[in-house]
Formats: sequence, structure tokens, C-alpha cells
Amino acid sequence: GDSVTQMEGPVTLSEEAFLTINCTYTATGYPSLFWYVQYPGEGLQLLLKATKADDKGSNKGFEATYRKETTSFHLEKGSVQVSDSAVYFCAQTHGSSNTGKLIFGQGTTLQVKP
Amino acid sequence: EAGVAQSPRYKIIEKRQSVAFWCNPISGHATLYWYQQILGQGPKLLIQFQNNGVVDDSQLPKDRFSAERLKGVDSTLKIQPAKLEDSAVYLCASSPGLAGNSDTQYFGPGTRLTVL
Repeated sequence: GDSVTQMEGPVTLSEEAFLTINCTYTATGYPSLFWYVQYPGEGLQLLLKATKADDKGSNKGFEATYRKETTSFHLEKGSVQVSDSAVYFCAQTHGSSNTGKLIFGQGTTLQVKP
Repeated sequence: EAGVAQSPRYKIIEKRQSVAFWCNPISGHATLYWYQQILGQGPKLLIQFQNNGVVDDSQLPKDRFSAERLKGVDSTLKIQPAKLEDSAVYLCASSPGLAGNSDTQYFGPGTRLTVL
């Protein structure tokens, strides 16, 4: 069945370091792909999304490209800040239905140190 | 605009008791979702409504969980009787459209349930 796999956390970086969080998906059909972020004590928020192959989603300095050939949607940021510390979830819509149902990865905790 | 509201924020109950959660989606949003997030895992869809009809409840344990969305606005999720493994955060989300794959879902703060 459809599923999302993220790299294990926690990821600990120093401020201004380069960030990559890997995400791969398996899907029948053509899913949309999302990154959601959960800051401490807050609800899930959409960070960025891509709805078709080769689309690049971007927001707040984060970006991810929908790679159909490698079934990946890796999250990157060139220079992280302490305020980026949060849990990041990669998600896809169910590939063969058009209901909008989201399938999430297990989440990756990012801790940025000053 | 006001976000998705959920209550209560926290609930502690004994196993075999019943519990209910409430969700008020963003005004005008047609689609409402309930997700279960167990500690250390990503959210898992329990049930999806489009207006007041059920779109997907394939992962809802129907022997103990029930949900309704009267009048296509507010929704309640009930567990009766609760088991230890139901300890989780229950998230409500809504989206504006009629359940399309590119629609953004907006999440509430969640209700953290602890079953003792």
C-alpha cells in the first residue's frame, strides 16, 4: 500500500548549517506531496507542497522537489536557525483516490543549537 | 480568520470508560478529517467527512469509535469503551474544497488522551 518513509531523527545541527531531511514515498497513481511542521506546543502547519512531478515547493527558505524517478521529496534549507527547531512530517495523498486523505511519515525531530 | 478549534485539549480516563472530542472547523470548509497520532508516529486518518457525509472510514475501529458531523459543521469523535492503546493525540483538520488531492489541510491543536 501507499506509504511514506522519513529519515530517523533526531537531527542536531548548529545554526547556519545546511539541512536535508530525506523522504521517500510509495504510491499507486499520482499523489500530491507535502511537508508539515509541528513547532513545540503547536499544531501541525503546512510548510510546503508539490502537486506533480518536477514541481518545487518552497516557503520560509525551505524547499523540496517532487522527484518521480526516485520517488523522493527531500526537504532542504541552506541555513537553519534556532527557530527552525521542530518536528517535520512528510506526507502524501493517497495515490489512487482523489479524496485528499493524507498518509504521513513518522516525523523527524530537528534541533538547532546556537 | 479563526483556525480549527478542538476541545478538550487534554483528557485522562480509565480504560473501559467513554470519552468524546469536539471539533469546530474553519468556517466554510467542506471537508473535515479526524487523525490519530500515537507518540513517535505520524498521524493516521480515522475518518473523513465531506459536508455531513462520510468519505472514508476504512481505518476507524468501528466496534469502539464513532464520529458524526451534524449539519456539515462541527464534529464529535467518541470512544466507547477506551483501551490503553487508544492513548494518543486526536487531531482534527479541515480543508476548503470537496476533498481534492491538492487541497491544503488545516490542523487544530489536538486533544491529548491518556488512558490509564
